[in-house]
Amino acid sequence: DTGVSQDPRHKITKRGQNVTFRCDPISEHNRLYWYRQTLGQGPEFLTYFQNEAQLEKSRLLSDRFSAERPKGSFSTLEIQRTEQGDSAMYLCASSLLLAASTDTQYFGPGTRLTVL
Amino acid sequence: QKEVEQDPGPLSVPEGAIVSLNCTYSNSAFQYFMWYRQYSRKGPELLMYTYSSGNKEDGRFTAQVDKSSKYISLFIRDSQPSDSATYLCAAFAGGTSYGKLTFGQGTILTVHP
Repeated sequence: DTGVSQDPRHKITKRGQNVTFRCDPISEHNRLYWYRQTLGQGPEFLTYFQNEAQLEKSRLLSDRFSAERPKGSFSTLEIQRTEQGDSAMYLCASSLLLAASTDTQYFGPGTRLTVL
Repeated sequence: QKEVEQDPGPLSVPEGAIVSLNCTYSNSAFQYFMWYRQYSRKGPELLMYTYSSGNKEDGRFTAQVDKSSKYISLFIRDSQPSDSATYLCAAFAGGTSYGKLTFGQGTILTVHP
């Protein structure tokens, strides 16, 4: 399978715990994005990387959230001191940016987080 | 007000019907427009990608963008039960906002046999 993969697919945690999600983009894709999707809503942009550089972070990304993409390959999204409001689907997408017309984002299956 | 607005439906049609899905947007800087399909508990899958105003056709799917009215449409011809999913419109501006997609709420479509 050469698509975007995410791990774990589901995560249940207690409020206050830390969680970490992993995303493996399509090989050779230089851009990687994180989005959050709550029930009945479209995905909301969180942050993105071009290679290993984190270029933009949304206001939605509080200080409890941190994302990394070491060596420009896989990425991790960590949430510290989880709150019930963090319960959502966390989606990762990747693209090969050559020009805006080619910035087609391919999404992974998502990690569904439930905070009890 | 959200930058991209989409009627959440739900929309229910018989098999073979023509489906029209619509979005409006408020950010004049948006130049690139997409439609994604999302099945339950899956990630979004890209259906159509268009730049600026105009039409684009791919099989049973036609995407239309009217920048003068800030209106985005997706038409599905000869709809099939397998088309039952949530359809998301999305847009981005390009330039320094490359790839930062802004999504609509999604429209839930059911095509019944």
